[in-house]
Amino acid sequence: DIVMTQSPDSLAVSLGERATINCKSSQSVLFSSTNKNYLAWYQQKPGQTPKLLIYWASTRESGVPDRFSGSGSGTDFTLTISSLQAEDAAVYYCQHYYSTPPGTFGQGTKLEIK
Amino acid sequence: QVTLRESGPTLVKPTQTLTLTCTFSGFSLSTSGMCVSWIRQPPGKALEWLALIDWDDDKYYSTSLQTRLTISKDTSKNQVVLTMTNMDPVDTATYYCARTPSFLGAVDSWGQGTLVTVSS
Repeated sequence: DIVMTQSPDSLAVSLGERATINCKSSQSVLFSSTNKNYLAWYQQKPGQTPKLLIYWASTRESGVPDRFSGSGSGTDFTLTISSLQAEDAAVYYCQHYYSTPPGTFGQGTKLEIK
Repeated sequence: QVTLRESGPTLVKPTQTLTLTCTFSGFSLSTSGMCVSWIRQPPGKALEWLALIDWDDDKYYSTSLQTRLTISKDTSKNQVVLTMTNMDPVDTATYYCARTPSFLGAVDSWGQGTLVTVSS
């Protein structure tokens, strides 16, 4: 099975600063025939259900602010929040959907406001 | 508008079998490319993917839990059912069902979740 490892486990960033969360998969999630990375990012605020932010590693879900961006390919991926807002405090998860079984999540990264 | 709602017992005893039903609207599981997943989250812990069923009735399970899980669908009722056998206190978690269209690959809609506690 593909294992997803996020880093760091937690971070504190000041308002207006950049936040970067990394996700590494134990094997490539790039599907050669489609040239797509089968990787998604979710945001979960306390007491809420997760929300899809990014799919195909870099495609922003409709309605997601453009300060959120995803990058990377193969086994190494990054979620970047370009200018942190107070409402961005949350736990962020990456997830692959490349192979069987699909759907493994990373352990989560808790983002706090400094 | 896509909605999903989980239903089932809130308390089960160790060794019992858990049966959860996901009732959804706003999409059809007979549509090519449509899938529904089950995902759980123990209190204060990370998300854990459990199972997925697709429009063609193909089923996928978490490797670590596959011997205990069964997923099925009733397209006419817009329902997906998950059963988990031999429940243990470590299975205490909020269980979510979620729409997972293959054109996204990712989960784009979640139920509100149902907290299942395993205790004698």
